[in-house]
Amino acid sequence: GESVGLHLPTLSVQEGDNSIINCAYSNSASDYFIWYKQESGKGPQFIIDIRSNMDKRQGQRVTVLLNKTVKHLSLQIAATQPGDSAVYFCAENTFTGNQFYFGTGTSLTVIP
Amino acid sequence: DSGVTQTPKHLITATGQRVTLRCSPRSGDLSVYWYQQSLDQGLQFLIQYYNGEERAKGNILERFSAQQFPDLHSELNLSSLELGDSALYFCASSVASLGGAQETQYFGPGTRLLVL
Repeated sequence: GESVGLHLPTLSVQEGDNSIINCAYSNSASDYFIWYKQESGKGPQFIIDIRSNMDKRQGQRVTVLLNKTVKHLSLQIAATQPGDSAVYFCAENTFTGNQFYFGTGTSLTVIP
Repeated sequence: DSGVTQTPKHLITATGQRVTLRCSPRSGDLSVYWYQQSLDQGLQFLIQYYNGEERAKGNILERFSAQQFPDLHSELNLSSLELGDSALYFCASSVASLGGAQETQYFGPGTRLLVL
């Protein structure tokens, strides 16, 4: 099966600092990626997506960077807030694929 | 709120039993996906239905089955339950055109299943 993994299982940041969460993927044919946020007791929540014809996409306080050369994806959160504390997953798919493959997740803790 | 609803929120049952989990997708979404999330395995795709028909299968056990009804709600049936089936079960939905699965999936709040 596909392999989508995260470099760091846990990350602690000070409130107001920027956070960077990383994700490595193994399928070079993957061309669609999503970052999800999962708060305790809730289902994953869509944050931002990016297709392989882009290397950067920005949302509200979040930026996703895609480096296809090294098969690496990152999520940057600007001015991290306590409400950003959650587990973050990356997921990948291919254009013809029928399912997403999810990474194991990184737990982000924001220290007030 | 994603617009996807799941019932029940919590379910406690015994080994060997059978349970049914229910999911209602977002209005207008034709595809429903089921996932299992356990502590040691993360989020695992089980199965997808599109407009009433099975579209894709992931790591779904033979003891598990699902269906999607004409009103597009879906049920996941888990039978001969084992202790290891204890997990969070999520349903997600997307518009999912026939062209593929590259559409954002919106997740429900999940059903927490505990098998004793």
